[in-house]
Amino acid sequence: KAGVTQTPRYLIKTRGQQVTLSCSPISGHRSVSWYQQTPGQGLQFLFEYFSETQRNKGNFPGRFSGRQFSNSRSEMNVSTLELGDSALYLCASSLDGRGPSSGANVLTFGAGSRLTVL
Amino acid sequence: AQSVTQLGSHVSVSEGALVLLRCNYSSSVPPYLFWYVQYPNQGLQLLLKYTSAATLVKGINGFEAEFKKSETSFHLTKPSAHMSDAAEYFCAVRTAPDIIQGAQKLVFGQGTRLTINP
Repeated sequence: KAGVTQTPRYLIKTRGQQVTLSCSPISGHRSVSWYQQTPGQGLQFLFEYFSETQRNKGNFPGRFSGRQFSNSRSEMNVSTLELGDSALYLCASSLDGRGPSSGANVLTFGAGSRLTVL
Repeated sequence: AQSVTQLGSHVSVSEGALVLLRCNYSSSVPPYLFWYVQYPNQGLQLLLKYTSAATLVKGINGFEAEFKKSETSFHLTKPSAHMSDAAEYFCAVRTAPDIIQGAQKLVFGQGTRLTINP
């Protein structure tokens, strides 16, 4: 069973540019979440998508956006890049988030996309 | 707001010694708790999870964790450290409101970097 696939793995951008990161979840997983990981702030929740709808959003500016397609694949976009956006962006997928047992669902993470902003 | 505190950003043990990584959560309602491990340049891998069944949870690679409601703790242990255990470890919680919503969001601690001395 293929895992969570994130592309690209590494990328370098300059301030002011925009970037799009892609995530293909495990087959059958309908929930996709995004996290930003930095040495200073640790792992911070960006947003979660389920059935093409954003279900939760973390405390990030509007420059950070995302979407989910009908096949559950997801993309996140960061516009007007700042130096502080340099981070490892992790995508995670999980099963359906509905129902009383969904709290026990495990997030399966991809290897991440490492973004460097110069 | 719910939070997770990992005591000690760095822990160093000798090969063969006991590994103890501490995690405390803040919640009046026991949440679901998870431990993840991250090796360099990789995503997060699930070690184990607590979902209100047995309080002593066994995971992969010989790790286990005990949920103690009275202490609001979920410490991770391994009886005998191996060089391959060197990595960063994250404790995470899925909060009661998120469980009710069916949201798959996790709140992570700041992480503990484990070093194994030969």
